[in-house]
Amino acid sequence: AQRVTQPEKLLSVFKGAPVELKCNYSYSGSPELFWYVQYSRQRLQLLLRHISRESIKGFTADLNKGETSFHLKKPFAQEEDSAMYYCALSGLETSGSRLTFGEGTQLTVNP
Amino acid sequence: EPEVTQTPSHQVTQMGQEVILRCVPISNHLYFYWYRQILGQKVEFLVSFYNNEISEKSEIFDDQFSVERPDGSNFTLKIRSTKLEDSAMYFCASSLWGRAEHNEQFFGPGTRLTVL
Repeated sequence: AQRVTQPEKLLSVFKGAPVELKCNYSYSGSPELFWYVQYSRQRLQLLLRHISRESIKGFTADLNKGETSFHLKKPFAQEEDSAMYYCALSGLETSGSRLTFGEGTQLTVNP
Repeated sequence: EPEVTQTPSHQVTQMGQEVILRCVPISNHLYFYWYRQILGQKVEFLVSFYNNEISEKSEIFDDQFSVERPDGSNFTLKIRSTKLEDSAMYFCASSLWGRAEHNEQFFGPGTRLTVL
């Protein structure tokens, strides 16, 4: 079974402050982890994925298999980062893989 | 930039009625998905579809649900006899490939289904 947990429903920071959105997962196989973002009145879109090891809009996420975590971090938050963030997991073993989503964290960056 | 489109944006129906939600995936994509999000809850996987067949479905996707690709462009989700608990936002997604390492899923804007 696949499970993703985002413990914080709401997170509020000030502009310029560091931000960390937590994500923990449970999966018996080899996981691929994703962060999706949904800005106000927009569709879900991929922010970044573990396998590509990119930094997108200043965000990074490291897969920690020991702690089964994939926390999203940004050193200096911007107001335009305010959005709903979803952590998601897919299994590397299967094709047409479902995404299992966490509950989401609503990030608000205050001026 | 190509996008997944969904129609209608909002559908209101009476309990027991059939509804069809429509999606146009990105044209060269091969894998198609439906997810739903009940208000205040997680986005949940319903079904994935490849090569005109269901490749995976969740426990939510029971006999009341069906999917179809009736032509070369549309991908539909049918709910035969809607229940109150089917009220949710339904998202269609598509991806070029199926395996997770190549599996960026592109989402549509969603159809909000309200069952009265």
